[in-house]
Amino acid sequence: DTGVSQNPRHKITKRGQNVTFRCDPISEHNRLYWYRQTLGQGPEFLTYFQNEAQLEKSRLLSDRFSAERPKGSFSTLEIQRTEQGDSAMYLCASSLLEEGGKLFFGSGTQLSVL
Amino acid sequence: AQRVTQPEKLLSVFKGAPVELKCNYSYSGSPELFWYVQYSRQRLQLLLRHISRESIKGFTADLNKGETSFHLKKPFAQEEDSAMYYCALSARGSNYKLTFGKGTLLTVNP
Repeated sequence: DTGVSQNPRHKITKRGQNVTFRCDPISEHNRLYWYRQTLGQGPEFLTYFQNEAQLEKSRLLSDRFSAERPKGSFSTLEIQRTEQGDSAMYLCASSLLEEGGKLFFGSGTQLSVL
Repeated sequence: AQRVTQPEKLLSVFKGAPVELKCNYSYSGSPELFWYVQYSRQRLQLLLRHISRESIKGFTADLNKGETSFHLKKPFAQEEDSAMYYCALSARGSNYKLTFGKGTLLTVNP
């Protein structure tokens, strides 16, 4: 499968624990996005990378959230001291620089904070 | 601020009937509009974008700047069109950060 890959598919954690998600984009894609989706809502933008540079972060992304994309390849999203309100589907998407808006999404990581 | 409104959470039609999924947006600049679709147990994927002015799977959408709308239409719905449809907006120069609507679940009945 050459699409966007996300791991793990599901994560159950206790409140206060740290979690980390991984996204492997399509290999030639320069742009990488993280979105969050809760039940009954559309995806909400969290952050954006162009190659290894994190160029934009949403106000939704509190200081408990951090994302990296070392070497411009895979990306990780870490949530520290998880809260029940962090429970959501976390989606990763990638695209080519010259095909803006044509995002390829992964299957997502479903986070449940107990 | 950007906002995308999809007024219908659910839309049910019969096979062969016309279908229109509504999308209205709020943005003071020049937007780019997209429709994304998620079929059952599949990933979210791009259906079409307004700048391409193309028809995909029989669907078309026209950007109406006067009415700030980007409704998705298909003259004859098929059962395989049943899916969740999201309208999305990108502001020019925004690195194609997309603002999504809440989505409309389309069910095409046999």
